[in-house]
Amino acid sequence: AQSVTQLDSHVSVSEGTPVLLRCNYSSSYSPSLFWYVQHPNKGLQLLLKYTSAATLVKGINGFEAEFKKSETSFHLTKPSAHMSDAAEYFCVALGNEKLTFGTGTRLTIIP
Amino acid sequence: DSGVTQTPKHLITATGQRVTLRCSPRSGDLSVYWYQQSLDQGLQFLIQYYNGEERAKGNILERFSAQQFPDLHSELNLSSLELGDSALYFCASSVAEGFYEQYFGPGTRLTVT
Repeated sequence: AQSVTQLDSHVSVSEGTPVLLRCNYSSSYSPSLFWYVQHPNKGLQLLLKYTSAATLVKGINGFEAEFKKSETSFHLTKPSAHMSDAAEYFCVALGNEKLTFGTGTRLTIIP
Repeated sequence: DSGVTQTPKHLITATGQRVTLRCSPRSGDLSVYWYQQSLDQGLQFLIQYYNGEERAKGNILERFSAQQFPDLHSELNLSSLELGDSALYFCASSVAEGFYEQYFGPGTRLTVT
């Protein structure tokens, strides 16, 4: 079975401070991992993906994520939060042609 | 703008009715995926079509069906609607056959009253 756990349902950070959104996965396979962002009343947008190449993946808008096999984690980070980062973020695992979504983390940016 | 279009944007209908949601993929994409997003169930994969053929099935109810036409647009048909079917329905597309990076449409919000 495959599962994705987003450890925080809600994260609040001040503008200009670092962002950390945590994701752990469980899979019998070596999964591909993705982070998607969903702004209010919008569809999901791909931020970045890991597909067994470099473990540190850079995405759009200054986000990056590091795949750590030993910790089965794929946490999303950004050095400095911007107001436009306020959104819902989904960690997604793809293994053996099965796509599993995390429950999402709502990121709030405090001015 | 992802290049994926969905119509209608909003749909309000009564229980027991049938509706059709439409999706046009990005130019050049052969795969179309349908998802349901609701407060209690989160985001769930429903079904995938690749170049007109059903490719993968997720948590799709028997009351729901989909198809992909020769011009690659897709329709999701929802019948015998129940209150619990109220949700945001997303379509996504990708160039590849297997699950890969997908581009999502803006969604159709379905309200069943």
